[in-house]
Amino acid sequence: QVQLVESGGGVVQPGGSLRLSCAASGFTFTGYGMHWVRQAPGKGLEWVAFIRYDGNKKYYADAVKGRFTITRDNSKNTLYLQMNSLRAEDTAVFYCANSPGARLYYMDVWGKGTTVTVSS
Amino acid sequence: NFMLTQPHSVSESPGKTITISCTRSSGSVASNYVQWYQQRPGSSPSTVMYEDNQRPSGVPDRFSGSIDSSSNSASLTISGLKTEDEADYYCQSYYSGTWVFGGGTKLTVL
Repeated sequence: QVQLVESGGGVVQPGGSLRLSCAASGFTFTGYGMHWVRQAPGKGLEWVAFIRYDGNKKYYADAVKGRFTITRDNSKNTLYLQMNSLRAEDTAVFYCANSPGARLYYMDVWGKGTTVTVSS
Repeated sequence: NFMLTQPHSVSESPGKTITISCTRSSGSVASNYVQWYQQRPGSSPSTVMYEDNQRPSGVPDRFSGSIDSSSNSASLTISGLKTEDEADYYCQSYYSGTWVFGGGTKLTVL
């Protein structure tokens, strides 16, 4: 079955860095765009970043532009999010989700999330 | 860019029908597909509607979606409410490299 498993979350000090991973299985990874979406404690969903199926097109939310980098390794069926210059307001559960083919406008399957806490 | 506005909360009794609205602040709601995600307490989101009114496999036909150009809004309707439908519901749309979520609606089934 389709599965997305996030990892790499943890506690980091303000200004620090963290790299999240999302391992995909059960579908043809190279046929899907991939998203990162986050949810701050007690808050709603916030889209963070998107990468096209081939890795050649990326989009970022203004709140993370210049600090976060989304990448993918299609040989490993894995999505990444490199997060630098972290701030307290980046504290959230981070979910990865896939978008089928050209239908990049929506998220189809979601992972269970990994928690990032930015605190001194 | 645009915003999507949802009511903070709605409630209804089991067996009844509820409609959750999602109003687009600018631009036509018909210009870009609207999706809906369900998030039960303590769980990750799951897709219950895509492309305005398409249900993913496994989502019961008690769930339906629509758009209304006159009010520039999208709606998710759940009929025959069950206690398991109690969750947060988020609408979402896309425009030019930006994915926008509504603030979410907490559905209570009591």
